[in-house]
Amino acid sequence: NAGVTQTPKFRVLKTGQSMTLLCAQDMNHEYMYWYRQDPGMGLRLIHYSVGEGTTAKGEVPDGYNVSRLKKQNFLLGLESAAPSQTSVYFCASSNTGNEQYFGPGTRLTVT
Amino acid sequence: DQQVKQNSPSLSVQEGRISILNCDYTNSMFDYFLWYKKYPAEGPTFLISISSIKDKNEDGRFTVFLNKSAKHLSLHIVPSQPGDSAVYFCAARGAQGGSEKLVFGKGTKLTVNP
Repeated sequence: NAGVTQTPKFRVLKTGQSMTLLCAQDMNHEYMYWYRQDPGMGLRLIHYSVGEGTTAKGEVPDGYNVSRLKKQNFLLGLESAAPSQTSVYFCASSNTGNEQYFGPGTRLTVT
Repeated sequence: DQQVKQNSPSLSVQEGRISILNCDYTNSMFDYFLWYKKYPAEGPTFLISISSIKDKNEDGRFTVFLNKSAKHLSLHIVPSQPGDSAVYFCAARGAQGGSEKLVFGKGTKLTVNP
């Protein structure tokens, strides 16, 4: 039981490049989330999903897109990366809307 | 507008003493509160939670207190250990219209000195 895994762990992008972050969970959770963590800003919700095929915007959705084609996977896409998207990205999943289980994070640098 | 506030960015305590981390919230519709612990280069991990119908929940060295009238909760760690050094996030869940989401505070960095 791996819990929540994230791929990749680190990535450096040039401004304007695109990439997809993959989150996978093996706990059969309905809800999945993408957060970003910046110094002094805590965890801010980007997008989330309450089930396969559904997505919704969080607090800071601009510049990101998501897809939940399979229950166990939640993808976060950056179509045209900007330096302001330099951050640590965390994926989480939950079955009850209460406790969320987090992945180890992806550290993204956009130059 | 910040709905969950952790006004102390950092806290330093001696090993064996009590650590008290504070959290204030503004939304009276929050009905469930959680504390998460985060070590560097790792994801946050769930620590303890409390429902709004309770005023205290205890789990070993960790106790969370909720004061609904003051919209305030606190996490007590007794006794504090060096391994407790981490960033602690307070989080809250809405009762309706967004109950699947958590709102996080900005975190408090706890340092426990040997």
